Amino acid sequence: KAGVTQTPRYLIKTRGQQVTLSCSPISGHRSVSWYQQTPGQGLQFLFEYFSETQRNKGNFPGRFSGRQFSNSRSEMNVSTLELGDSALYLCASSLLRGSGELFFGEGSRLTVL
Amino acid sequence: AQSVTQPDIHITVSEGASLELRCNYSYGATPYLFWYVQSPGQGLQLLLKYFSGDTLVQGIKGFEAEFKRSQSSFNLRKPSVHWSDAAEYFCAVGPDMEYGNKLVFGAGTILRVKS
Repeated sequence: KAGVTQTPRYLIKTRGQQVTLSCSPISGHRSVSWYQQTPGQGLQFLFEYFSETQRNKGNFPGRFSGRQFSNSRSEMNVSTLELGDSALYLCASSLLRGSGELFFGEGSRLTVL
Repeated sequence: AQSVTQPDIHITVSEGASLELRCNYSYGATPYLFWYVQSPGQGLQLLLKYFSGDTLVQGIKGFEAEFKRSQSSFNLRKPSVHWSDAAEYFCAVGPDMEYGNKLVFGAGTILRVKS
């Protein structure tokens, strides 16, 4: 069974640009969560999608958005990039909402110059 | 609000020695508790979880953790560490069903194993 796949793995952007990250969950998993990981703030919850609907959102500005498609694949978008957005963005899928049993991808490493 | 404290940023143990990583949580109700491990350049992998029942839970790779409500702790243990256990370990609390799969993670403990 394939794991969670995130693309791209690495990317470099400049301030003011926007970026879209993609996540393909494990087959059959309908819950997709996104986390931001930085050395200073650690792992922070961004949002969760289930059945194409955003169910929860973390404490991030509106520049951070996402969506989920009917096949459960998810994308997140960050607009007007800032230097502080440099981070590892992790996607996690889960079979059930509320289980906490997350299967993480390897992440997308974003560097903003 | 939920919070998780991992007091040790780094821990170094000798291969074959026992290991205990500390985790303290703050949560109003009975928490769901987790330990995840992250190897360099990798995503996180679930080691074990506590939802209810027996306070000593067994996980993968020979790890176990004990939930102690009186101490608000959920410490991770392993009787004999292998070099491949070197990684970063995260304790997490949640989720509240209202918040789905939103987990609150601790800052992590980096484990170094010396031969």
